[in-house]
Amino acid sequence: GENVEQHPSTLSVQEGDSAVIKCTYSDSASNYFPWYKQELGKRPQLIIDIRSNVGEKKDQRIAVTLNKTAKHFSLHITETQPEDSAVYFCAAGGGADGLTFGKGTHLIIQP
Amino acid sequence: EAGVAQSPRYKIIEKRQSVAFWCNPISGHATLYWYQQILGQGPKLLIQFQNNGVVDDSQLPKDRFSAERLKGVDSTLKIQPAKLEDSAVYLCASSRMGTGTYEQYFGPGTRLTVT
Repeated sequence: GENVEQHPSTLSVQEGDSAVIKCTYSDSASNYFPWYKQELGKRPQLIIDIRSNVGEKKDQRIAVTLNKTAKHFSLHITETQPEDSAVYFCAAGGGADGLTFGKGTHLIIQP
Repeated sequence: EAGVAQSPRYKIIEKRQSVAFWCNPISGHATLYWYQQILGQGPKLLIQFQNNGVVDDSQLPKDRFSAERLKGVDSTLKIQPAKLEDSAVYLCASSRMGTGTYEQYFGPGTRLTVT
């Protein structure tokens, strides 16, 4: 089955700086890669996703890149703000299939 | 558009007791997923339904967990008997079936504590 590795487990950045979270996956059949943000005690919220026919996608301060050859994808957050503090999960799946999640990155934005 | 609904939100039981969780997906979403999220980890898929049929239950501990989705809408997940290691948040998610439609939307979850 699919295996997703996520790094780092904790990331602390100064407000206004950029944050990068990286994930690798094992199953070359995976073609859908979403990122979820989860605040304490809340449900995971989809913030951006990318499909295997696209190399990069951007939505305001958030961007995701995908390297199918190397089987890795990354989340980039620019101009970080205090409300970006949360746990971020990457996931991989085969379209409508269930997702395999990474273990999460606790992002801390220092004022 | 109403989101995914789940109940109860919290449940505390003793080990060896049974418990059931309920999920109502977003209207029109044919695919329904149950995930287990242990504290400090990412969600883990337990079972996936397409309408009222099971698509994937390979990670469901079938000796104690069962799930059904009668009439292809609401779903229930049951644990009998519960173990201490079942303490987790049980998340239900749904997605619309269709070409290129992959987004999964999560419910608020049921936090289960087994003592």
